[in-house]
Order: sequence, then C-alpha cells, then structure tokens
Amino acid sequence: DQQVKQNSPSLSVQEGRISILNCDYTNSMFDYFLWYKKYPAEGPTFLISISSIKDKNEDGRFTVFLNKSAKHLSLHIVPSQPGDSAVYFCAAILLSGSEKLVFGKGTKLTVNP
Amino acid sequence: NAGVTQTPKFRVLKTGQSMTLLCAQDMNHEYMYWYRQDPGMGLRLIHYSVGEGTTAKGEVPDGYNVSRLKKQNFLLGLESAAPSQTSVYFCASVRGASYNEQFFGPGTRLTVL
Repeated sequence: DQQVKQNSPSLSVQEGRISILNCDYTNSMFDYFLWYKKYPAEGPTFLISISSIKDKNEDGRFTVFLNKSAKHLSLHIVPSQPGDSAVYFCAAILLSGSEKLVFGKGTKLTVNP
Repeated sequence: NAGVTQTPKFRVLKTGQSMTLLCAQDMNHEYMYWYRQDPGMGLRLIHYSVGEGTTAKGEVPDGYNVSRLKKQNFLLGLESAAPSQTSVYFCASVRGASYNEQFFGPGTRLTVL
C-alpha cells in the first residue's frame, strides 16, 4: 500500500514559467513533509520541508503548499530554470510511530530553455 | 567535511556471492539509513539506525543485514546476492531528529548476474 503518491511520472515546462509538482498521501497522521531533488548519478538533496501544522513554506523560488483536508501537497518553482531539471521526490514522516521517511516514486521535471 | 561517502561506487556480483557496502559520515549524525532505488519505485528503506549499536528494519529488509558498531559507519551486507538485489543503494544520515534534512551519499550501483 503506497502511502505517498506522486501520480505524474514526468512534467515538462518552459524556462521562466511555473512548475507545479504534486503529491498525495493516505496517512492523515503524518507530521512532516519534505521534498528532495535528485540529479542523475547523484544522491538526493534536501529542498524544502513543511510541518503538518502549517499550510505554506517558502524558500526563494520554492514554495510548498499543504492541504491537510485533501491530503495533498504541492511544490511550486517560480520561475523555473533549466538547472531545476531533475527528479523530485516527496516524502513524509510519522514522528510518533517511527523514524522513517516514506518516499513517493518521484516526478521527473524537465525545464526547456 | 566529506559529508556522506559510500564505498564502493560500482560493483558486479555473481548470484550467491556476498559483499558489504560501507557508508561513512563525518557530521556526527545520530541517525543513518540505507535505501535502494529501482526504476519507477522511488526510494525504499532497507534498514536504519537511530544510534551506535542499534539497527531496525525498514520496508524491504529481506536479504540484507546491517551493523552500526561505530557512530560514523553504517554497513550493509548481502550474504547471498540475488539478481533481484540489482539496484542503486543510497546511504543517508540525519542530525538529531528524524524529520530533519537527510544527507545522502552518492550511491553504489550494484549489479547481480
């Protein structure tokens, strides 16, 4: 049973436009949500996170929105740059239950010049 | 600081052979994790450790063993490799609480023939 779902395997956008990556989850008890970015042949790197008690967190060009009632979060990248082309993973953690992150399958973002 | 390093970077095994993957971190992190990444599957947790001398099973632990004898090292062992264990393996470490940013190593690409 997949607890964190990224239903779009890929996304293509033009440079300068907005990229919106989506993530759905099934466990309403998740406490934190994180986004990681991964380039080919490298390990993932942390991008941004949000606590379940917030609905928005912003860091430069990256903003994560959390809609708890819909069990949905999204990552907005504005403006998108070619260097943002990577695989983006959504992850969630249940603090009271374990010390484990649950990852989605990832969305491959391509930003075209 | 070297961050998180993984040894080896690549390895080819024959079915039934054994090997150990080494993960080392120089950030004095308490928590360490081993993941595998397969095409279309995202990152799946194999085993993890919340401190020196402790280990716990993740989502896909079968066929693997781990040890954390020193705080800075987390070893992943394959006793009898199988073709299903062909994957890219990532190690990660976290400072303090598990919801903090995980720092990933560059990965080990393992092929089992």
